[in-house]
Amino acid sequence: GENVEQHPSTLSVQEGDSAVIKCTYSDSASNYFPWYKQELGKRPQLIIDIRSNVGEKKDQRIAVTLNKTAKHFSLHITETQPEDSAVYFCAVPFFSGTYKYIFGTGTRLKVLA
Amino acid sequence: NAGVMQNPRHLVRRRGQEARLRCSPMKGHSHVYWYRQLPEEGLKFMVYLQKENIIDESGMPKERFSAEFPKEGPSILRIQQVVRGDSAAYFCASSSGQSGANVLTFGAGSRLTVL
Repeated sequence: GENVEQHPSTLSVQEGDSAVIKCTYSDSASNYFPWYKQELGKRPQLIIDIRSNVGEKKDQRIAVTLNKTAKHFSLHITETQPEDSAVYFCAVPFFSGTYKYIFGTGTRLKVLA
Repeated sequence: NAGVMQNPRHLVRRRGQEARLRCSPMKGHSHVYWYRQLPEEGLKFMVYLQKENIIDESGMPKERFSAEFPKEGPSILRIQQVVRGDSAAYFCASSSGQSGANVLTFGAGSRLTVL
């Protein structure tokens, strides 16, 4: 089936600490794995994505790692800041004739000043 | 580039009325997705459309809900005889293709409140 599990559902960290969110998916032919950030009352916005020809991708304080064999990928945020507080969603494109994007259940990250 | 445009941003309906939500994709994008987000919950896939074609509607309730993406004009998500449980934010996203590696860009959402 099309299953995307995301953990943890909530995460509180002290400012400056790191945060890690993990996404596990069921069988997928996809080679593309994005992460979205949604601030309160706003639209989800892409913050980083990875394609399966690489195992890790970094963009300043955020990184994504991918283990395609184990079918999971993770979002890493270092040196967290209060503005990182938001809900983060992973997404996986599942193929059934065509691709549709299924989102994880979300992780509410709170960065404590 | 105006991005993905959704309207109305807020819509209030009484039980039994109809709600019509519109989505214009980004310029150059021909694929549209609709997602529903209940308060404090995730993004639930509803339907995926191309121009004049419904690709996948497996996430859409069989009754009262319909979607279209005509040759001209925006994609429309239509909810007939709304009930309180339909109150949610409805997000549209667009992409340039269906390769499974295309970035989804979201609109600002339409927030439906059913009284």
